[in-house]
Amino acid sequence: ILNVEQSPQSLHVQEGDSTNFTCSFPSSNFYALHWYRWETAKSPEALFVMTLNGDEKKKGRISATLNTKEGYSYLYIKGSQPEDSATYLCAFIGGGSYIPTFGRGTSLIVHP
Amino acid sequence: DGGITQSPKYLFRKEGQNVTLSCEQNLNHDAMYWYRQDPGQGLRLIYYSQIVNDFQKGDIAEGYSVSREKKESFPLTVTSAQKNPTAFYLCASSIDWTGYLQPQHFGDGTRLSIL
Repeated sequence: ILNVEQSPQSLHVQEGDSTNFTCSFPSSNFYALHWYRWETAKSPEALFVMTLNGDEKKKGRISATLNTKEGYSYLYIKGSQPEDSATYLCAFIGGGSYIPTFGRGTSLIVHP
Repeated sequence: DGGITQSPKYLFRKEGQNVTLSCEQNLNHDAMYWYRQDPGQGLRLIYYSQIVNDFQKGDIAEGYSVSREKKESFPLTVTSAQKNPTAFYLCASSIDWTGYLQPQHFGDGTRLSIL
C-alpha cells in the first residue's frame, strides 16, 4: 500500500490570510498527482492534474507546485475567503499502478 | 449536464441484511470506482471496473460485491459479511483506467448506517 501523507490535518485561518499545505508521496515511479477540493455536502471537484517535476498550476487564487524528485506537492491559497473552506485532497498515481491513492486530506476553515 | 448520480443519499441497514448502493454516470467513462470513507481516514478503494463486464478488488473488498453489466452503471452491494458497514461511500469514474492525465469525477456519496 502506497503512503500518501497530507499535512496539516486541519487549518483555521482568518479571511484574507494566505495559506499552504503539503502532500507527500513516494518519489519513485511517479505518473501524476491530482488535487481535489471537497466542500461539505458536495462531491469532490478536481483542481489540478500535475504530471511534470517543477509543474506549477494556477486557478484564480489557488496554485500548486510539484517536486517529484523529493516527493511532495504544495497547494497555496492567496487571500483566503470563507468560500475556500473545504477539505483538500491529493491523490498519487504511480508506483506501477494507475489507481489513485488518496491522502487523508487537509480541512481548511476560513473565518470571516 | 454530464455527471455521476448516487442513490440513495442516506441508507439504513438492519443486521444480516444486504443493501445495494446505486451509481450511474452519463459521462461515457470506461472506468468506475467505489471508495469508502471513515472519520479521519482517506478514501479507501473497495472495487474498480476498467470496462463493462470486468471488475477488480481494491484494498478493502471483503464483505462487498459489485457488477458492471452496463457502461453507465456500477452498483455496490454491502453484504451481511461486512461487519462494520457504517461509513460514507463515494462512487467515481474516469475516462479510462490508465487515464491518469484526467481527474476522476465523483458522485455526492451515500451515507450508510446500521439500525
